[in-house]
Amino acid sequence: DAKTTQPPSMDCAEGRAANLPCNHSTISGNEYVYWYRQIHSQGPQYIIHGLKNNETNEMASLIITEDRKSSTLILPHATLRDTAVYYCIAYNYGQNFVFGPGTRLSVLP
Amino acid sequence: GAVVSQHPSRVICKSGTSVKIECRSLDFQATTMFWYRQFPKQSLMLMATSNEGSKATYEQGVEKDKFLINHASLTLSTLTVTSAHPEDSSFYICSAPRSGGTAGVSYEQYFGPGTRLTVT
Repeated sequence: DAKTTQPPSMDCAEGRAANLPCNHSTISGNEYVYWYRQIHSQGPQYIIHGLKNNETNEMASLIITEDRKSSTLILPHATLRDTAVYYCIAYNYGQNFVFGPGTRLSVLP
Repeated sequence: GAVVSQHPSRVICKSGTSVKIECRSLDFQATTMFWYRQFPKQSLMLMATSNEGSKATYEQGVEKDKFLINHASLTLSTLTVTSAHPEDSSFYICSAPRSGGTAGVSYEQYFGPGTRLTVT
């Protein structure tokens, strides 16, 4: 079973920031938080991952709470091409990489 | 960057035949690869873990004699769907983890583009 929970769907206006929450209250100390997204009929695409500190790359920012029980993926300026299913996964090497249902993000014009 | 490829991208086969799907890590070695199946409007479901040089580990409910996995080299894993039936029609995706470059740090999971199997 997935160790994370996410809202099933969210809408965001084009050009605005999309904030996608994830709860991982049972995450263990050596597990990282990974975010992937899947556009229809394609393989999942890596977005970002982190352990304790907030992370930022060219795609997104990842904010992890101090107790590591939840995190938020931020797409700073959402575009129509960001419409996808977003998955939050707690993982460390040697474990199974398990997907939950994810959040279906719809970016609206 | 690291890439995982799958072949074929689409395959249509007749009921009762077998189909082989290849998963390759193109610029890194993978001692472990994962195989997933995805039905329409559902999430990816882990089927099995492919281990180089040893037997695959199957998830509960996945028939190992029906879904044969071979991980013969550090860059290639194959999934063979034997005696395929229409209910096996699905999107099959593989993935491989790669170290971030610093020992003991984190691993990024690279996914293939998927293989759409249709059994008629």
